[in-house]
Amino acid sequence: AQTVTQSQPEMSVQEAETVTLSCTYDTSESDYYLFWYKQPPSRQMILVIRQEAYKQQNATENRFSVNFQKAAKSFSLKISDSQLGDAAMYFCAYRIRTTYGGSQGNLIFGKGTKLSVKP
Amino acid sequence: DTGVSQDPRHKITKRGQNVTFRCDPISEHNRLYWYRQTLGQGPEFLTYFQNEAQLEKSRLLSDRFSAERPKGSFSTLEIQRTEQGDSAMYLCASSRRGQTDTQYFGPGTRLTVL
Repeated sequence: AQTVTQSQPEMSVQEAETVTLSCTYDTSESDYYLFWYKQPPSRQMILVIRQEAYKQQNATENRFSVNFQKAAKSFSLKISDSQLGDAAMYFCAYRIRTTYGGSQGNLIFGKGTKLSVKP
Repeated sequence: DTGVSQDPRHKITKRGQNVTFRCDPISEHNRLYWYRQTLGQGPEFLTYFQNEAQLEKSRLLSDRFSAERPKGSFSTLEIQRTEQGDSAMYLCASSRRGQTDTQYFGPGTRLTVL
């Protein structure tokens, strides 16, 4: 069975500093997607960044980047120049990709990491 | 694009009552998902629709739960004879079938069963 593990229940970072959130996953599949979602307090979940497993290049989105290590089944999120608005729960998620390109799978989430940003 | 919307945002009910939630996906998104999120946990998959067809159901979806998407647009999730253990945030997400099939989430419906 596929599982996603986030080993850091809480993290804290100083404003303008860099922080890395960890995620590991377990799967026997070779083709899948990985995601980081952000859920601010009492607000809806939004997509931060996405990585296709068949791509060796790490995804980046502005201040957000990932370190994808397929052999180690590791998918960490780096937030650079942290801002107060980055404070939220961050969820790592996995989904299988079908051979025809379109996915039919549900997301499997980790338990989340609560990120606090200190001014 | 307007985002995924859910109604109501909050629902308080007494044990044993029936409740129904609605989800309106992003227009042109043909896939719709329901998840449940309890305090301190990540969302857990409940069920999935492609157009009007319910293609997958989690074992978390007991007989008291039923979901529909009659015209392939909005969806409803009904819980019959609610129990205190049903208290949770119910999240809806939608996606468009394609290469990445990224899911976009609504704000959720928070259910409290007294």
